[in-house]
Amino acid sequence: NAGVTQTPKFRILKIGQSMTLQCTQDMNHNYMYWYRQDPGMGLKLIYYSVGAGITDKGEVPNGYNVSRSTTEDFPLRLELAAPSQTSVYFCASSYVQGANTEAFFGQGTRLTVV
Amino acid sequence: DQQVKQNSPSLSVQEGRISILNCDYTNSMFDYFLWYKKYPAEGPTFLISISSIKDKNEDGRFTVFLNKSAKHLSLHIVPSQPGDSAVYFCAASDGTGANNLFFGTGTRLTVIP
Repeated sequence: NAGVTQTPKFRILKIGQSMTLQCTQDMNHNYMYWYRQDPGMGLKLIYYSVGAGITDKGEVPNGYNVSRSTTEDFPLRLELAAPSQTSVYFCASSYVQGANTEAFFGQGTRLTVV
Repeated sequence: DQQVKQNSPSLSVQEGRISILNCDYTNSMFDYFLWYKKYPAEGPTFLISISSIKDKNEDGRFTVFLNKSAKHLSLHIVPSQPGDSAVYFCAASDGTGANNLFFGTGTRLTVIP
């Protein structure tokens, strides 16, 4: 039972480079999320999606883009990497229908921009 | 603007004793609260939750208490075990958007054998 899978686990980027963080879930969850966690801080929401073809900004969306072409996949794109984007990125998913439910998280991608 | 606050960065407890982790929030619209546990190099895993219509929820060794008037919740772990050593995040949802969660900064619990 894979759950939420993120790739890569680690990445070093140079300033100005671009990359895509991959996220896939096999639980048929309708909602998916991208969070970032900076040292000593809580997780902050970057983008979220309530279903295929629908995405929306979270608390800290600047410098990122997302797409949701399928239920399973929710990639996060960094177009022009900046040192401020050095962080640990977590993808999550949940099945939401009416009442709140918990989100399931991937193991994270540690990104360093130098 | 941290809407969910965990003011204790760390906590050490002897094995077998009670661990109490605290969390405060400022947004009165939050209606669902969760605790997540995180080990190093892993993603957060869900531990326990509570709806704002309740003041207590219990699951085995874990109990969450909610005091809405004080905008405060706490997680009790009894008895504490060495395997409980991890970072614990408090999170809250206001039921809008897509069940988005607002996280605290975490408390690192160390259970001493």
